Amino acid sequence: GAVVSQHPSWVICKSGTSVKIECRSLDFQATTMFWYRQFPKQSLMLMATSNEGSKATYEQGVEKDKFLINHASLTLSTLTVTSAHPEDSSFYICSASPWTSSTNTGELFFGEGSRLTVL
Amino acid sequence: KQEVTQIPAALSVPEGENLVLNCSFTDSAIYNLQWFRQDPGKGLTSLLLIQSSQREQTSGRLNASLDKSSGRSTLYIAASQPGDSATYLCALQGFQKLVFGTGTRLLVSP
Repeated sequence: GAVVSQHPSWVICKSGTSVKIECRSLDFQATTMFWYRQFPKQSLMLMATSNEGSKATYEQGVEKDKFLINHASLTLSTLTVTSAHPEDSSFYICSASPWTSSTNTGELFFGEGSRLTVL
Repeated sequence: KQEVTQIPAALSVPEGENLVLNCSFTDSAIYNLQWFRQDPGKGLTSLLLIQSSQREQTSGRLNASLDKSSGRSTLYIAASQPGDSATYLCALQGFQKLVFGTGTRLLVSP
């Protein structure tokens, strides 16, 4: 199956600093990637849809200036948590689909997630 | 707005039992339905994908069904094993957007 890699898998930072999380599709190109957030014992919540070469689409209630998303290439999307605070501590997961007009199964593949702890 | 509910929220069974996990959704205008497994502190592993036009999919000991008219999907796990212990999530996909269910935490004891 398609492989999505996330880095780092865990990060601890001080309050007020910025943290960048990378999401890479290793063996396919992804024009669209998705970023999710998961609080302990809760399900995943979609934060934003990352579109290659254009601005990300954010879900209602997600601060776009707080969570900067860049999708500079067909295999890489980054999520930057700016001026992180303890309430930003969470598990962040990205997903991507090898979605093309000829191989469109709609199946999404997920990274292993990145656990952010803000002190 | 699509709402996805999974019942039960938690399930504990002895090894060897056959079990059924349920997923209910409110909007039948879906592209596909996907079942995932999540181990504690880990990402998601895709188990089965059912396209909107399909009724079921099977993979090994897993069988997932989809009934759009009633807004339900079930994941059947045969001969459960301790290694099946995890949280199981169903997710409905509309146009590019994936809505996750609340999850079922499964514990299979030896």
